[in-house]
Amino acid sequence: TQLLEQSPQFLSIQEGENLTVYCNSSSVFSSLQWYRQEPGEGPVLLVTVVTGGEVKKLKRLTFQFGDARKDSSLHITAAQPGDTGLYLCAGEVRYSNYQLIWGAGTKLIIKP
Amino acid sequence: EAQVTQNPRYLITVTGKKLTVTCSQNMNHEYMSWYRQDPGLGLRQIYYSMNVEVTDKGDVPEGYKVSRKEKRNFPLILESPSPNQTSLYFCASKVLGNSPLHFGNGTRLTVT
Repeated sequence: TQLLEQSPQFLSIQEGENLTVYCNSSSVFSSLQWYRQEPGEGPVLLVTVVTGGEVKKLKRLTFQFGDARKDSSLHITAAQPGDTGLYLCAGEVRYSNYQLIWGAGTKLIIKP
Repeated sequence: EAQVTQNPRYLITVTGKKLTVTCSQNMNHEYMSWYRQDPGLGLRQIYYSMNVEVTDKGDVPEGYKVSRKEKRNFPLILESPSPNQTSLYFCASKVLGNSPLHFGNGTRLTVT
């Protein structure tokens, strides 16, 4: 069974602090996607990383794909209340009919 | 507007009473999928379809049926719902290849 371990499961911090969410696996992924989900809505894609070592930035969010394409991280700088939500990582395994392996999610609360 | 539409948003039913959750997408996507989301377990795939008349089991298909008679529609059928199928359900679609999933807004099902 392929697993994608996401940590932490829950994080509550003050506005202005930095944080990092991790997704780790023993499987190699052809790509890794990060989604954000707000209450009452479906997940929405934030970014896709494809190349080992790749770093992508989305305003205050920095996404990194591990060199071996087995792990990824999401770093948020100076978190704001608007960053509150559930963050999900999903890895696509090569030759798997486009199936995604999902992390369990990180529930992030940013307190003003 | 490009979207995935699920109905109903909320459904309360009793054990054994057959129900159908509809899903429709207007983006001409080949790939469609159903997920259930439970606290601490993340998104688990129920069934997916890579094109019309082609469906495959995901990780948790027991107790569910699907059909793909038209490209835009992918209904989820529970022939005899049980309380352990109480969950938040999401339909999603995408083009084939390395591309993001587009999710509906979810159906919260309660089986008593």
